[in-house]
Amino acid sequence: DVKVTQSSRYLVKRTGEKVFLECVQDMDHENMFWYRQDPGLGLRLIYFSYDVKMKEKGDIPEGYSVSREKKERFSLILESASTNQTSMYLCASSLQGANEKLFFGSGTQLSVL
Amino acid sequence: AQSVTQLGSHVSVSEGALVLLRCNYSSSVPPYLFWYVQYPNQGLQLLLKYTTGATLVKGINGFEAEFKKSETSFHLTKPSAHMSDAAEYFCAVILPYSGGGADGLTFGKGTHLIIQP
Repeated sequence: DVKVTQSSRYLVKRTGEKVFLECVQDMDHENMFWYRQDPGLGLRLIYFSYDVKMKEKGDIPEGYSVSREKKERFSLILESASTNQTSMYLCASSLQGANEKLFFGSGTQLSVL
Repeated sequence: AQSVTQLGSHVSVSEGALVLLRCNYSSSVPPYLFWYVQYPNQGLQLLLKYTTGATLVKGINGFEAEFKKSETSFHLTKPSAHMSDAAEYFCAVILPYSGGGADGLTFGKGTHLIIQP
């Protein structure tokens, strides 16, 4: 079965730290996405990638960057973590784009103290 | 631009009762519509989607949704609720010609479904 794996379920970091969130998919999908999920706000797109080394900004890219060196791996980077980046982060992938079925990882709950 | 509104952040129903989760959209053209479900401590998974054709769409776990263009709605229903249906449900919309870019997919804020025994 299809699998999207996020490296950590829970993460606690300090303000100012550089944080890496890793996501790996085993479906040979072209497209990968990073969302953050906050209560009452739903899902908001941070960045997405439609090919290796390609990236596009989503709705809320400020304070984040991404890396896609290999097709199966998409990393989200918080250059200098801040408390307002405390959130649930969800990675997803799809074969042809967001108008097709998205496959989601289980999420990483990040707390920035 | 498109948008989606889910009515009710929390919906509570008794086990065995009808489940109705409401979703209304705003779009310049008939969009593609999705319902995703998120069980506790899990990522989202697709319940069903509407693209074109038959307006009544059947999904997994006994859920279905009907696309009503005149009402700009895509409500999710299930005839008889089960305890295992307790989860967060998200409606999402994308324009057909967006090319699949993720910047075109808009999620609602979610509805938490509570099942009373």
